[in-house]
Amino acid sequence: DIQMTQSPSTLSASVGDRVTITCRASQSFNNWLAWYQQKPGKAPKLLIHKASGLENGVPPRFSGSGSETEFTLTISSLQPDDSGTYYCQQYDGNSRTFGQGTKVEVK
Amino acid sequence: EVQLVESGGGWAEPGGSLTISCAASGLIFSNAWMGWVRQAPGKGLEWVGRIKSTNHGGTSDYADPVRGRFSISRDDSKNLMYLQMNSLKPEDTAVYYCSTDWSYPRVGASWGQGTLVTVSS
Repeated sequence: DIQMTQSPSTLSASVGDRVTITCRASQSFNNWLAWYQQKPGKAPKLLIHKASGLENGVPPRFSGSGSETEFTLTISSLQPDDSGTYYCQQYDGNSRTFGQGTKVEVK
Repeated sequence: EVQLVESGGGWAEPGGSLTISCAASGLIFSNAWMGWVRQAPGKGLEWVGRIKSTNHGGTSDYADPVRGRFSISRDDSKNLMYLQMNSLKPEDTAVYYCSTDWSYPRVGASWGQGTLVTVSS
């Protein structure tokens, strides 16, 4: 199975900062990579599909990029509502794997 | 709008069994690939497994920690998906989320609110 390693595990940034979260895979796969945001006590919300596809209704300050084994989620200008925990997930083939999560604090 | 509602969570003893359900609406359920994801208290998300739509064979795949103990099934006539959990362990304690799975080009577009399963003696 493909293992996903996400970094950093936590980050604290100010409103307006550019933030990048990285997800590295144990083996190359075909960009079937999703990014989610989760608020405490809530279900995850899909932000990005297929590495770079922005979901309808998700603000354009969110973007995804990458290929093969390295993927990134970028928030171009951090907003107070962006606090939460972010997860990557690979969905190549018959299994899915999440990264460990990145907790984002907005100062 | 897709709505997913989990039910059946609760307490079970180690070694025991429990079945939880996911009721779906707002989608053509028989065409939907569906999945389960869990989250232990204070921990990250963990994929449990998924079931393909009936017209794609209706087969299921599972994560290593639950393979052989958990089983996913579906009843398309009732728009229901089930997760039967056997030989439960304390480490199975988690909120279990139902979600839509593969729907090209995405997974995880819709989620339920989750149901808590506690395994303890």
